[in-house]
Amino acid sequence: GAGVSQSPSNKVTEKGKDVELRCDPISGHTALYWYRQSLGQGLEFLIYFQGNSAPDKSGLPSDRFSAERTGGSVSTLTIQRTQQEDSAVYLCASSPGTGLNIQYFGAGTRLSVL
Amino acid sequence: ILNVEQSPQSLHVQEGDSTNFTCSFPSSNFYALHWYRWETAKSPEALFVMTLNGDEKKKGRISATLNTKEGYSYLYIKGSQPEDSATYLCAFDSSGNAGNMLTFGGGTRLMVKP
Repeated sequence: GAGVSQSPSNKVTEKGKDVELRCDPISGHTALYWYRQSLGQGLEFLIYFQGNSAPDKSGLPSDRFSAERTGGSVSTLTIQRTQQEDSAVYLCASSPGTGLNIQYFGAGTRLSVL
Repeated sequence: ILNVEQSPQSLHVQEGDSTNFTCSFPSSNFYALHWYRWETAKSPEALFVMTLNGDEKKKGRISATLNTKEGYSYLYIKGSQPEDSATYLCAFDSSGNAGNMLTFGGGTRLMVKP
């Protein structure tokens, strides 16, 4: 497809389990971002990748969170030993890396930790 | 940490009402201000990107203004319709470097009653 694709769209897991969330950005976009929105909260930045540069991990809330981007394309956000406070909608966005930096978002993954 | 605030947090209006809400951002190191619309169960979509003080943008019944000197932007919706119900996010770009981070506000959740 032409847009940013995220999978799964919904994920229910038990506390303590690991989860992997996937983002497939728009082809050719050099920048990729992960955000999350917890219930009643705004959009919280987690991590971003730009080209071959080292990712900006400044938004990751704990060392249980990690992300990688393979081959400058697909990205995986991994949450280890999930906690109930990790429940949120996780959004991925990509941008072309030129021009006005408009970000194109996926539909998100709704994570529920029981 | 950049402070981007939106008000009100939520808003209920009747179909046909006109409404507006505010995004405030730092007045220094300004490059661009973005508005996004996020409908439930969909991806956030870019509405406007504004770069110049005094900019006004319009898309159908929705318009936005920008005051970079005092650090605010207004989003207006004329004759609200139920399909306008969504969360409206503003995002501040201080870098001017395409592919860099945006700082998002907490959003204004608009609900339009038929």
